[in-house]
Amino acid sequence: DSGVTQTPKHLITATGQRVTLRCSPRSGDLSVYWYQQSLDQGLQFLIQYYNGEERAKGNILERFSAQQFPDLHSELNLSSLELGDSALYFCASSVNPRGAGTFGSGTRLTVV
Amino acid sequence: GIQVEQSPPDLILQEGANSTLRCNFSDSVNNLQWFHQNPWGQLINLFYIPSGTKQNGRLSATTVATERYSLLYISSSQTTDSGVYFCAVVDAGGTSYGKLTFGQGTILTVHP
Repeated sequence: DSGVTQTPKHLITATGQRVTLRCSPRSGDLSVYWYQQSLDQGLQFLIQYYNGEERAKGNILERFSAQQFPDLHSELNLSSLELGDSALYFCASSVNPRGAGTFGSGTRLTVV
Repeated sequence: GIQVEQSPPDLILQEGANSTLRCNFSDSVNNLQWFHQNPWGQLINLFYIPSGTKQNGRLSATTVATERYSLLYISSSQTTDSGVYFCAVVDAGGTSYGKLTFGQGTILTVHP
């Protein structure tokens, strides 16, 4: 157990729907990162938060948004889902904004 | 942005064999990590190694930062070593924070 908790582990939903993925960082970690792993794009960085504020942004679609709450958990919201959004979504956390991240076990999203 | 190339893309071994995986990166890095993704999709951090050499049991890694490459050595391979091995780096540029850029991975299959 890495200490980073992601829920749910699996999610199946239809095209056009909206889902929310949740991440609880390791105790004491202030930074949260989201990554997407798809068959065609590999593992890609989406977005980073540090102590509630957005710090870095990657190739995140406009249909996707994220936030980090005062208790430091983070949510990734995916809307108007398309078949191509099917992927494994990872959350990682670290103590500082430049730190090596510890990864959660991921949420496998299937859009049908 | 920084480019990360891993080789070989695929590797098939008999149990007990040794192997070397390579990671080349195109720019200076603050961080380099090796991960193993198991068949269940979990990303396991093997090494945090921006420079130098580290060993952990049958695995060891060496990063030569000045020449922009890293090597992962697996000795006396076991079937449980099967999976995908990823190299990931943090660009030393000022705006990268802890964002990891991943290579495309090496798929390792170890036969009994």
